[in-house]
Amino acid sequence: DSGVTQTPKHLITATGQRVTLRCSPRSGDLSVYWYQQSLDQGLQFLIQYYNGEERAKGNILERFSAQQFPDLHSELNLSSLELGDSALYFCASSLDERPSYNEQFFGPGTRLTVL
Amino acid sequence: GQNIDQPTEMTATEGAIVQINCTYQTSGFNGLFWYQQHAGEAPTFLSYNVLDGLEEKGRFSSFLSRSKGYSYLLLKELQMKDSASYLCAVRDRRNAGNMLTFGGGTRLMVKP
Repeated sequence: DSGVTQTPKHLITATGQRVTLRCSPRSGDLSVYWYQQSLDQGLQFLIQYYNGEERAKGNILERFSAQQFPDLHSELNLSSLELGDSALYFCASSLDERPSYNEQFFGPGTRLTVL
Repeated sequence: GQNIDQPTEMTATEGAIVQINCTYQTSGFNGLFWYQQHAGEAPTFLSYNVLDGLEEKGRFSSFLSRSKGYSYLLLKELQMKDSASYLCAVRDRRNAGNMLTFGGGTRLMVKP
């Protein structure tokens, strides 16, 4: 158990819908990362937040957005869902944002299925 | 951008040694990570290299050559539970924050 929690564990929805994935980082960690893992794409970095502010952006679609709240939990919002959005969505956390030795701890993931 | 290449699949025998290679191209290299991921589960941290050389941690070792853009993960005394995907990830100082770029992963199958 990494100490990172994600809800829900599974989510099944229809095309065109909107969903929200939730992540709570390890106690004391200020930085949260979101990743998407699909069968054909591997683990893709989406976005990073540090202490409530966006820090880095990867291959995140405009239909997707995220935020980190004052209590440091984060939400990833996915809208106008398409079949291709079906994937495992992982949240990870780390102590800070700086590019030093800084291990990221991954949560168990949310499996999103778009029908 | 960054290119990270690793073999898609490897097979090895229980008790043997296996080496999983990773090559990368980045002009702002700032660290390389190896993660283990069992199917449907979260990646778990194995090792970190930022300087050239070998880092040993129990049955697992990781090597880095920055001049060659090359790393390998060495797994000794293979066990059945080592069957998993092994992900190589690189950090680039040109990127903001602490973002990692992951390779496609190497699926290792350990056979009896």
